[in-house]
Amino acid sequence: QVQLQESGPRVVRPSETLSLTCSVSGGSFSSYYWSWIRQPPGKGLEWIANIYFSGSTNYNPSLKSRLTISLDTSRTQFSLKLRSVTAADTAVYYCARGLYVDRAVIKDNYFDPWGQGTLVTVSS
Amino acid sequence: QSALTQPRSVSGSPGQSVTLSCIGSSSDVGYYNYVSWYQQHPGKAPKPIIYDVNKRPSGVPDRFSGSKSGNTASLTISGLQAEDEADYYCCSYVGSYTWVFGGGTKVTVL
Repeated sequence: QVQLQESGPRVVRPSETLSLTCSVSGGSFSSYYWSWIRQPPGKGLEWIANIYFSGSTNYNPSLKSRLTISLDTSRTQFSLKLRSVTAADTAVYYCARGLYVDRAVIKDNYFDPWGQGTLVTVSS
Repeated sequence: QSALTQPRSVSGSPGQSVTLSCIGSSSDVGYYNYVSWYQQHPGKAPKPIIYDVNKRPSGVPDRFSGSKSGNTASLTISGLQAEDEADYYCCSYVGSYTWVFGGGTKVTVL
């Protein structure tokens, strides 16, 4: 079955750029939206951004100015860059598979599976 | 894109039923039939238990059921079990391939 795994630095300095990669294995990359979701310690989930297998992107409006999401289909990976980070960006970052869209077929409008999550701490 | 509103906590005894609410707006919960619910145990990734308002992914017990009325979605856990103690998050599609989550509800089994 499909498995996702996040990777990247665990500590980022304030004002720098947070960079994470999600590696996808065991299934098709095509026709799905691939998302990043984060969870600050002790708080709720926040949808951050997604990318379709074709490369089209969508962002949370509150974070859009600082975000870039990209795709490497040859390596079945997608990545997140969040610029100018502050302590408020400290969170567990999850990658997840989402909505399936293929021509007229739309299905699986929920996030599954998820990666195990990676805690990124913004600290000097 | 405001977060959906969920009660901070709900509790019940084993065997009882509990219902969790998720209040949105006419732009999200009230407009789209794309509400999903996630169960999260401490230190674990969320797991989907309901999608498209009232559908269960394969393997999810039928003790979990979902519904929607107007701008409010609900998750009912029937026959509450000890392993149901967890945090539960609702999520709604809000158009243009974007989503919003609720703040989460902690379910305690007494």
